[in-house]
Amino acid sequence: AQKVTQAQTEISVVEKEDVTLDCVYETRDTTYYLFWYKQPPSGELVFLIRRNSFDEQNEISGRYSWNFQKSTSSFNFTITASQVVDSAVYFCALSLYNQGGKLIFGQGTELSVKP
Amino acid sequence: DTAVSQTPKYLVTQMGNDKSIKCEQNLGHDTMYWYKQDSKKFLKIMFSYNNKELIINETVPNRFSPKSPDKAHLNLHINSLELGDSAVYFCASSQGLQGTDTQYFGPGTRLTVL
Repeated sequence: AQKVTQAQTEISVVEKEDVTLDCVYETRDTTYYLFWYKQPPSGELVFLIRRNSFDEQNEISGRYSWNFQKSTSSFNFTITASQVVDSAVYFCALSLYNQGGKLIFGQGTELSVKP
Repeated sequence: DTAVSQTPKYLVTQMGNDKSIKCEQNLGHDTMYWYKQDSKKFLKIMFSYNNKELIINETVPNRFSPKSPDKAHLNLHINSLELGDSAVYFCASSQGLQGTDTQYFGPGTRLTVL
């Protein structure tokens, strides 16, 4: 069975700190896709990144970076120099090839960035 | 222009009533979805449709009936509402359903059953 675990339920940091959100996934499939979404207090779900299982290159986008390691089945998300606007719930999700597009979400990590 | 829109944003109703939530996407996508987010923020897929055809029905009670009149619309009708149906319902769309395609979500509909 497929599963996504975000063990950190809540994280609180002070502005300008770096913070890493952990994501561990389980699947026996060799072709799969990993996603991160952000849910700010306003409630919408905002797409951040997609990574496929054949691409283990890390990615950086501004203050955001992602570390994908198949050896540990992890897809961690780091925010550098956090800002108050980063306060949100962050979801990691997994989808498999040819499974109707179903996204399997982790439980989410609520990040609170204090000024 | 809103890519994925849902109406209404809030829905408050009594137990036993029937209600509908509408979803429209203007992205030209072929696949649409309904997800439910419970009070603990856990997100779970309910249905997916591809070109108006039901692809996923994730063991949802048959009081929930999705309807897709065309590939840009996917509505959700709920009969005989129960307290446990209270949640936020998200519509989403993607180009295809192979798993590789990014899903874009609507703003959500917060349903409260009293």
